[in-house]
Amino acid sequence: AQSVTQPDIHITVSEGASLELRCNYSYGATPYLFWYVQSPGQGLQLLLKYFSGDTLVQGIKGFEAEFKRSQSSFNLRKPSVHWSDAAEYFCAVAPNTGNQFYFGTGTSLTVIP
Amino acid sequence: SAVISQKPSRDICQRGTSLTIQCQVDSQVTMMFWYRQQPGQSLTLIATANQGSEATYESGFVIDKFPISRPNLTFSTLTVSNMSPEDSSIYLCSVADSNTGELFFGEGSRLTVL
Repeated sequence: AQSVTQPDIHITVSEGASLELRCNYSYGATPYLFWYVQSPGQGLQLLLKYFSGDTLVQGIKGFEAEFKRSQSSFNLRKPSVHWSDAAEYFCAVAPNTGNQFYFGTGTSLTVIP
Repeated sequence: SAVISQKPSRDICQRGTSLTIQCQVDSQVTMMFWYRQQPGQSLTLIATANQGSEATYESGFVIDKFPISRPNLTFSTLTVSNMSPEDSSIYLCSVADSNTGELFFGEGSRLTVL
């Protein structure tokens, strides 16, 4: 069965510092991989996705993620965090397009001045 | 992109009652998905609703508790039956774009069970 693990429940970073959020998946083949962000009281917004090709993908708001097949990981990064990045971040996998997604437990990001 | 409308947006319900959530999509889709997001938790897939066939439920979710209808390609309902306080959650309807792969969500229905 597929599963998604986000090892870090909560992360606190200073504004302007770099950020890396971890995501590991368990799936028989390489799934489609996604990162979503959910700001307090808001819906989910897609940050970026990986289907195939270049393993480093760029997303919105200055985020990027790198797919590493050998590690079954899809970590999210941002070189300089802004206070508005404080939110809940979810990694998700899907077996292919059009199918159901499975979400990780989420990482809550706090940004301090 | 798909525009998804859910009703009700929020409700307060009494223990033992049932509530039906409606989901309307602005385009025809083969599969619609129902998720639950409990307070402070991630999204858990309840079931996949296919038009013309019975919904497929994930482990831990049963039809008697969460009956689903899918009468056409743009509409679905999820009923939360015999509610208890543990059912207090946000329930989200979603569809996946088979071209872009993106999952689109409705605004969610926030249920509080007293």
